[in-house]
Amino acid sequence: EAQVTQNPRYLITVTGKKLTVTCSQNMNHEYMSWYRQDPGLGLRQIYYSMNVEVTDKGDVPEGYKVSRKEKRNFPLILESPSPNQTSLYFCASSYSAGTSYEQYFGPGTRLTVT
Amino acid sequence: AQTVTQSQPEMSVQEAETVTLSCTYDTSESDYYLFWYKQPPSRQMILVIRQEAYKQQNATENRFSVNFQKAAKSFSLKISDSQLGDAAMYFCAYRNHYTGANSKLTFGKGITLSVRP
Repeated sequence: EAQVTQNPRYLITVTGKKLTVTCSQNMNHEYMSWYRQDPGLGLRQIYYSMNVEVTDKGDVPEGYKVSRKEKRNFPLILESPSPNQTSLYFCASSYSAGTSYEQYFGPGTRLTVT
Repeated sequence: AQTVTQSQPEMSVQEAETVTLSCTYDTSESDYYLFWYKQPPSRQMILVIRQEAYKQQNATENRFSVNFQKAAKSFSLKISDSQLGDAAMYFCAYRNHYTGANSKLTFGKGITLSVRP
């Protein structure tokens, strides 16, 4: 089954404790992206990757890091989480960038930072 | 920068009736895509319908259709014969058409649709 998976689905952590949210897709997609969803703000892009070893900032990259060492994986790293990073996070992928190809979303990760 | 505006935070519809969700956007580009996504309580983002800006014909997917007014930069979603399973948050989204560039989706704030039995 074609899908985007994220882990963990739920995470409660404390300020400053490094964490990683994994994202993996099994569709051989080149383009991958991370979004955060906050009430009243919709979804906003954090980082994106055009292909292996090619990543760039989105609209709200502060406090986040990413890497793309393999085509299928695109982890989101919070090296020192803060309460304002409490949010719902989505990973998405598509076959290629800048095309009509549909973006497939993961199931979301609910992160709470206390 | 592109912006997407959904001015109605909530709407309600009677089961079997028709409801229209509004969306406007702002862009200086001529070639782009517009989408409606559904987010049920499970939080999964589900693509409902897609419209290419170069197509004059409005997209239709079963009970879902759009009214795309390019000059007015308006993109509304019509849900016919509303069902209880249509209750969800709906997001309007925009994406540029640039080959080889960031395929970022720009989302509106969303609208919560409730369906009354």
